[in-house]
Amino acid sequence: QKEVEQNSGPLSVPEGAIASLNCTYSDRGSQSFFWYRQYSGKSPELIMFIYSNGDKEDGRFTAQLNKASQYVSLLIRDSQPSDSATYLCAVTRGGYQKVTFGIGTKLQVIP
Amino acid sequence: DAEITQSPRHKITETGRQVTLACHQTWNHNNMFWYRQDLGHGLRLIHYSYGVQDTNKGEVSDGYSVSRSNTEDLPLTLESAASSQTSVYFCASSRDTRTEAFFGQGTRLTVV
Repeated sequence: QKEVEQNSGPLSVPEGAIASLNCTYSDRGSQSFFWYRQYSGKSPELIMFIYSNGDKEDGRFTAQLNKASQYVSLLIRDSQPSDSATYLCAVTRGGYQKVTFGIGTKLQVIP
Repeated sequence: DAEITQSPRHKITETGRQVTLACHQTWNHNNMFWYRQDLGHGLRLIHYSYGVQDTNKGEVSDGYSVSRSNTEDLPLTLESAASSQTSVYFCASSRDTRTEAFFGQGTRLTVV
């Protein structure tokens, strides 16, 4: 079982819709959770991070964390073509200075 | 502005040659990481460092080495390049694991 699992996609949504990206992790000791966006040929850049159960909102983005079920999700409201990218879920365990990444979900927003 | 830079951006080398990829950050971050990114595998950790003189193996460290002689630099060396090491390599740094990691632009390495 991979430590961090994501559906590679592509996930296609129409412009203006809500895109829902999901990630599950295997280490119950994980404490910090990150969503990175990576455009084709570019480096990953942080979209959001979340540490506590529940929702965290930042503009059109909402991160949701459920530690009991070991999943974290990213919602993108009012999706735009510029949101088309690969979204990487990343997880860290307290005390370990490293991050484990999922393979990423490719999102396509159709105009 | 603080930044993290990698060089070269593109490299073609022959099997068996030693190759060094440079990574330099001006964030003054203690933590630095090297990843490789391959289709179907995502980002995989090669080596990481908590600070000067500290290095640790990651998930896919065989055939790679790093050294940390100062805070700013973490060069990655492929001792004897193999075709399986053809990949895109990313360097990253972070202040701690509760804050974001900043990534360099990446180095596309082709081993022929």
